[in-house]
Amino acid sequence: AQRVTQPEKLLSVFKGAPVELKCNYSYSGSPELFWYVQYSRQRLQLLLRHISRESIKGFTADLNKGETSFHLKKPFAQEEDSAMYYCALSRSTDKLIFGTGTRLQVFP
Amino acid sequence: GAGVSQSPRYKVAKRGQDVALRCDPISGHVSLFWYQQALGQGPEFLTYFQNEAQLDKSGLPSDRFFAERPEGSVSTLKIQRTQQEDSAVYLCASSSRTANTGELFFGEGSRLTVL
Repeated sequence: AQRVTQPEKLLSVFKGAPVELKCNYSYSGSPELFWYVQYSRQRLQLLLRHISRESIKGFTADLNKGETSFHLKKPFAQEEDSAMYYCALSRSTDKLIFGTGTRLQVFP
Repeated sequence: GAGVSQSPRYKVAKRGQDVALRCDPISGHVSLFWYQQALGQGPEFLTYFQNEAQLDKSGLPSDRFFAERPEGSVSTLKIQRTQQEDSAVYLCASSSRTANTGELFFGEGSRLTVL
């Protein structure tokens, strides 16, 4: 069965520190991986997709098929990065499967 | 409208009552999804529509849950004889693509509390 695991419920860092939010998945085929973000009092929105290979708001994520991981990274955290982050998996024509989420708190 | 609109935003129901949650997707979006998000959990898939056709309802937890999208636009999620375990935020999302490539646009959700 497909599953997405985010082992950390809460990650707290100081402004300017590096951030890595962990995501591991289980899926036998070739999945599409995503990171969604929910800022306080806002709706859930797409942050980035692995196939785009892009950096959004300074965040990047690399798909590691050997380790079945898709960790989200940012070299220097900002206070405005504080939010709930969800890793999600999709087969090409199927629904998104979400992890349980990690709350990132960035302190000044 | 500018985004996915859901109503009501908050609903309190007594156990055993029926509730109906409405989703108004982005105009022209073909795909519509319903998710259930319990406290402290990630969104869990409930059902998926492509236009008016319900292509996947594998996530509906019981036959008390029913969803429809009769004209391929607005969708309604109905929960009959609500139970306390139905308390959650119900999220609706839409997409312009027929295949789910992950670019979902979410509504703000309907928070259901069953007493």
